[in-house]
Amino acid sequence: AQSVSQHNHHVILSEAASLELGCNYSYGGTVNLFWYVQYPGQHLQLLLKYFSGDPLVKGIKGFEAEFIKSKFSFNLRKPSVQWSDTAEYFCAVSPNTNAGKSTFGDGTTLTVKP
Amino acid sequence: DAGITQSPRHKVTETGTPVTLRCHQTENHRYMYWYRQDPGHGLRLIHYSYGVKDTDKGEVSDGYSVSRSKTEDFLLTLESATSSQTSVYFCAISERGDETQYFGPGTRLLVL
Repeated sequence: AQSVSQHNHHVILSEAASLELGCNYSYGGTVNLFWYVQYPGQHLQLLLKYFSGDPLVKGIKGFEAEFIKSKFSFNLRKPSVQWSDTAEYFCAVSPNTNAGKSTFGDGTTLTVKP
Repeated sequence: DAGITQSPRHKVTETGTPVTLRCHQTENHRYMYWYRQDPGHGLRLIHYSYGVKDTDKGEVSDGYSVSRSKTEDFLLTLESATSSQTSVYFCAISERGDETQYFGPGTRLLVL
């Protein structure tokens, strides 16, 4: 079975600071990778995803993530955060099979101070 | 936003009572999921469905059952609610070939 580890449980940044959230997974086969975001009081929504091709993936709101296969990592980055980025961020992995199941990390809460 | 609704959105119940949560989709997606979200635990899969009347257990299925008699509806039942089942429950859908999951607005359940 696959597992996902998000090392940072809570990150606090000032506006304009750069962001990097770590995500590592364990699975022996081919995977699809996702970052979801949950703004306060809202449901999860997709931020970006990687299925194949260019390992540097760009998502909404200036976020990007890089898939490094040798490190089993899919870290999320943003060069300059805004107060509105305050949210909980979840990394998820889905084996490249027909099951459609994803395993989620425990989440990282990002607080951006104005 | 994907057409996913959950009902009820909030519920308070007492220990030992049965509770049914409903997820309804208008996207005709094949896969449907039920998760619970608890602080420090992220999202944990309770049950999922890969078609009408085809369901399987997730990692935290004890005390929960599901049914899917129509493509658009996925019901989660707590046969006898316990305080440990106090949580926020999210339904999600996805389609074969696109593993992206689309989430409903969630149901806050409090078991007293």
